[in-house]
Amino acid sequence: NAGVTQTPKFRVLKTGQSMTLLCAQDMNHEYMYWYRQDPGMGLRLIHYSVGEGTTAKGEVPDGYNVSRLKKQNFLLGLESAAPSQTSVYFCASAGTSGDTDTQYFGPGTRLTVL
Amino acid sequence: AQKVTQAQTEISVVEKEDVTLDCVYETRDTTYYLFWYKQPPSGELVFLIRRNSFDEQNEISGRYSWNFQKSTSSFNFTITASQVVDSAVYFCARLDTGRRALTFGSGTRLQVQP
Repeated sequence: NAGVTQTPKFRVLKTGQSMTLLCAQDMNHEYMYWYRQDPGMGLRLIHYSVGEGTTAKGEVPDGYNVSRLKKQNFLLGLESAAPSQTSVYFCASAGTSGDTDTQYFGPGTRLTVL
Repeated sequence: AQKVTQAQTEISVVEKEDVTLDCVYETRDTTYYLFWYKQPPSGELVFLIRRNSFDEQNEISGRYSWNFQKSTSSFNFTITASQVVDSAVYFCARLDTGRRALTFGSGTRLQVQP
């Protein structure tokens, strides 16, 4: 089991460019999340999904869009990147049985917007 | 917003010392879940423990122990006989039962000197 994987690991964008971050999980988890981590702060929730085809806004959703077309994948899109979106992005997933609600995280994507 | 507070920004100890990381949470829920995660210098987030609000027993796992006290809304983490490999940022988090997402504290950076 690979667990939760994220692509890419690093990316540098110019202001106004767009990109998509891919998160994939092989644990058959229902819930998936995107968080961002900024220096001196804990992780903050951007968007989340409680199942295939569903998405919802988190704490800091502005400037991001998401899609969950397949249960195992959760995509985070930046349509027009801004320097304020420079951050480390973490994807997580959690199941609804066994260790319910324990979130397992991907390795992170370090994004720099110039 | 129901916050999670980790008042200690950074702690430095010498190897073999015991160290306690504090976590205070706010919640209006009767049933809730608390977590600790470790973020080593490599950057990934490692799940350490999940605690349910209805289980106030302290937990011990090797050199790690957790003290959960509902009366003071605290969920503190103690490392006994610290080692250099314990150097990391440690995050306390509470599950938002509506979104089933995590609200994180700002983290405590622990440095264990040899």
